[in-house]
Amino acid sequence: EVQLVESGGGLVKPGGSLRLSCAASGFSFINAWVSWVRQAPGKGLEWVGRVKSKAVGGTTDYAAPVKGRFTVSRDDSKNTLYLQLNSLKTEDTAVYYCTVEVGNPSFDYWGQGTLVTVSS
Amino acid sequence: DIQLTQSPSFLSASVGDRVTITCRASQGINSYLAWYQQKPGKAPKLLIYLASILQSGVPSRFSGSESGTEFTLTISSLQPEDFATYYCQQLNSYPSFGPGTKVDIK
Repeated sequence: EVQLVESGGGLVKPGGSLRLSCAASGFSFINAWVSWVRQAPGKGLEWVGRVKSKAVGGTTDYAAPVKGRFTVSRDDSKNTLYLQLNSLKTEDTAVYYCTVEVGNPSFDYWGQGTLVTVSS
Repeated sequence: DIQLTQSPSFLSASVGDRVTITCRASQGINSYLAWYQQKPGKAPKLLIYLASILQSGVPSRFSGSESGTEFTLTISSLQPEDFATYYCQQLNSYPSFGPGTKVDIK
């Protein structure tokens, strides 16, 4: 059974930092492209960033609103995905989901999400 | 950047109705379009990928089609568990989502 379990969310002040983790199991993590997607309260889905598999270079891509502030990384030895959030703004408040592409161009599996609240 | 629009933003329907949701891309996306269903407080669920391929385990009342840069999600006979918000997503370039269509009970 595929499982993605996020952790690390919480309340942080504007300008602060946070690191989210996503533990994966039940599929070949090393071959998957993994992304973070967020959803602000009452709003739609927004792709945040991704890291490709090492087989295609392990490169990262980011959405414009987070580029330069957020960093996506992976540890294939631990089947874990990370999202480092720096210089947080109130508009970064959202539920953050990790999600994976395991062969088809689609986000096949999703975690349950972790809430990040940026407020003074 | 590729922009996606969805119509309608909201629709009210009854059980048994045929429902159609449209997603338009600002440029060609080579069929790299997926559809997701999201219920309140839950993560999105993949329904369709590559515009028309049904994800394993998804009921056959869901179908997808495309015509150029216009994509359609159809639910042939709406069931009580289908009341949710539906999002399209393109993966031809950096992924992006449409704004969503909420399907509510009439």
